[in-house]
Amino acid sequence: KQEVTQIPAALSVPEGENLVLNCSFTDSAIYNLQWFRQDPGKGLTSLLLIQSSQREQTSGRLNASLDKSSGRSTLYIAASQPGDSATYLCAVLTSGTYKYIFGTGTRLKVLA
Amino acid sequence: ETGVTQTPRHLVMGMTNKKSLKCEQHLGHNAMYWYKQSAKKPLELMFVYSLEERVENNSVPSRFSPECPNSSHLFLHLHTLQPEDSALYLCASSQGAGYTEAFFGQGTRLTVV
Repeated sequence: KQEVTQIPAALSVPEGENLVLNCSFTDSAIYNLQWFRQDPGKGLTSLLLIQSSQREQTSGRLNASLDKSSGRSTLYIAASQPGDSATYLCAVLTSGTYKYIFGTGTRLKVLA
Repeated sequence: ETGVTQTPRHLVMGMTNKKSLKCEQHLGHNAMYWYKQSAKKPLELMFVYSLEERVENNSVPSRFSPECPNSSHLFLHLHTLQPEDSALYLCASSQGAGYTEAFFGQGTRLTVV
């Protein structure tokens, strides 16, 4: 059974810092991994999608890496801004299923 | 705006009421999903439809009844709910069921009283 863990659960940093959010999963047989952002009470916004054959994806100040064999992904945020404050969720799609398994998220606060 | 629209955004209903949640996607996708997000729990997949056919049903109580009349619309019919069903219900769509990027709506915040 696929399990997804995100560490840390919460993070508070001053503006301008580079930071890393971690996601680990127990079953390495995955189709892809997707990172989302969720603002309080809102839906999910897709940030990056990494297919199982890829090692990383970049979008602006965001870079996500995937190490399938070790069951890990990291989301790197460069030069953090107060507008980055949100909950970040990773979700893994296990091969042979239609089901994205989500972690419980990392709640990020960037202080001005 | 992600191209996935959910209505209503907020809903308060009594345990004996019947209501429906609506989801509409304008992305030309052929797979649609219902997820439940409760406080301090990971998102839970409830139902998946691919080409208007239900392909996954995750042991969801029968008081939740999905309907997918076409590939652009998805409904979740609710009846005789319990207070523990209060949650954020999220709809998502993707180009294919399971292997492509999922896009989410803003959710319906449901409160059962």
